[in-house]
Amino acid sequence: DAGITQSPRYKITETGRQVTLMCHQTWSHSYMFWYRQDLGHGLRLIYYSAAADITDKGEVPDGYVVSRSKTENFPLTLESATRSQTSVYFCASSELASGYNEQFFGPGTRLTVL
Amino acid sequence: GDSVTQMEGPVTLSEEAFLTINCTYTATGYPSLFWYVQYPGEGLQLLLKATKADDKGSNKGFEATYRKETTSFHLEKGSVQVSDSAVYFCALKNNNAGNMLTFGGGTRLMVKP
Repeated sequence: DAGITQSPRYKITETGRQVTLMCHQTWSHSYMFWYRQDLGHGLRLIYYSAAADITDKGEVPDGYVVSRSKTENFPLTLESATRSQTSVYFCASSELASGYNEQFFGPGTRLTVL
Repeated sequence: GDSVTQMEGPVTLSEEAFLTINCTYTATGYPSLFWYVQYPGEGLQLLLKATKADDKGSNKGFEATYRKETTSFHLEKGSVQVSDSAVYFCALKNNNAGNMLTFGGGTRLMVKP
């Protein structure tokens, strides 16, 4: 499928477990982003990547790990899930840094940590 | 740092009513400004954008004007429809900060027939 996809769409896990959220884009965009959406906080940036093998922290990186071995994939791993990580997670991508380029968002993954 | 403040929702309107959702920002330099819309169960989509002062972004009957003097980017629509029910996010991109967006908290709009 063309565009940006996320999997799984829904995930329930337990405290302390490791979970990986997948993100795949077909446009060969240079930039990819992970956000979490929580009531009252809007969207907050967790990590971003400017290119393969280049990643950097966003506003709320603690408890998360990312990698970008291929341009099209940007997985987000919660190494030891906590209840505070219950959220909706969005992946996004965009072309090279510019004042005008749009970010394209995936459909989101709703994660519940029990 | 950069920040975006939106009016809290939910905003409930009847069909064909006039819509305003307020957005103000704090940023250094000359950011680009955006409105994104999130329909139920979906990711965010770009609704409109403005890249410099006094620019007006418009799309699907929605408009917003980049006002540098008041650091605002209010979203307006003259006549809302039930299909406009969604969450609307104001965002800015500071050209000094790469491709990263700073989002407001979002405003839920509910339009009743």
